[in-house]
Amino acid sequence: DVKVTQSSRYLVKRTGEKVFLECVQDMDHENMFWYRQDPGLGLRLIYFSYDVKMKEKGDIPEGYSVSREKKERFSLILESASTNQTSMYLCASYRQGAETQYFGPGTRLLVL
Amino acid sequence: GENVEQHPSTLSVQEGDSAVIKCTYSDSASNYFPWYKQELGKRPQLIIDIRSNVGEKKDQRIAVTLNKTAKHFSLHITETQPEDSAVYFCAASGQGGSEKLVFGKGTKLTVNP
Repeated sequence: DVKVTQSSRYLVKRTGEKVFLECVQDMDHENMFWYRQDPGLGLRLIYFSYDVKMKEKGDIPEGYSVSREKKERFSLILESASTNQTSMYLCASYRQGAETQYFGPGTRLLVL
Repeated sequence: GENVEQHPSTLSVQEGDSAVIKCTYSDSASNYFPWYKQELGKRPQLIIDIRSNVGEKKDQRIAVTLNKTAKHFSLHITETQPEDSAVYFCAASGQGGSEKLVFGKGTKLTVNP
């Protein structure tokens, strides 16, 4: 059974803080993704990574960066959090060739 | 790039009725179309998917149809039950081998007992 976990379910941060969101998968998947989910906007891709130390921008990368030092871990970084980054953040992973993405439980981030 | 439109945004049906959610996509090279169900407070879960070499796929009360010519695909749920109430997302894989999924904006389905 694929397990994708995220470091926090709920997070409250202040404007300007540096925020780290961690995602870990235990199935040796090559591909990992970060999405944000907002009401009425669906899931929008922020960044994805298809291998260790490899990353590509998604549709809304502004204000975010990522890190993939190990295959199982993909981190999303908000260098200087802003109120418009208040959202639900979902991590996903999948095995090359399988196509089905498995999602983590999500982190609901509130930036005050 | 790929663009996925999903309709309706909300859908309310009586228990036992059928529900249909429709999506259109823009990139004719897309070849993989999954549907995800997200219950309140939970992660999206894959419920059914279809690949471009198939026109229809069924799994118990859930079916998906794909019309590649028209670039649209639909989710059909028959004999709906209250536990089918959730937000449903369609998605399409982008071109260029990146295998990124582009999601529709979601449909909130409410099944009334």
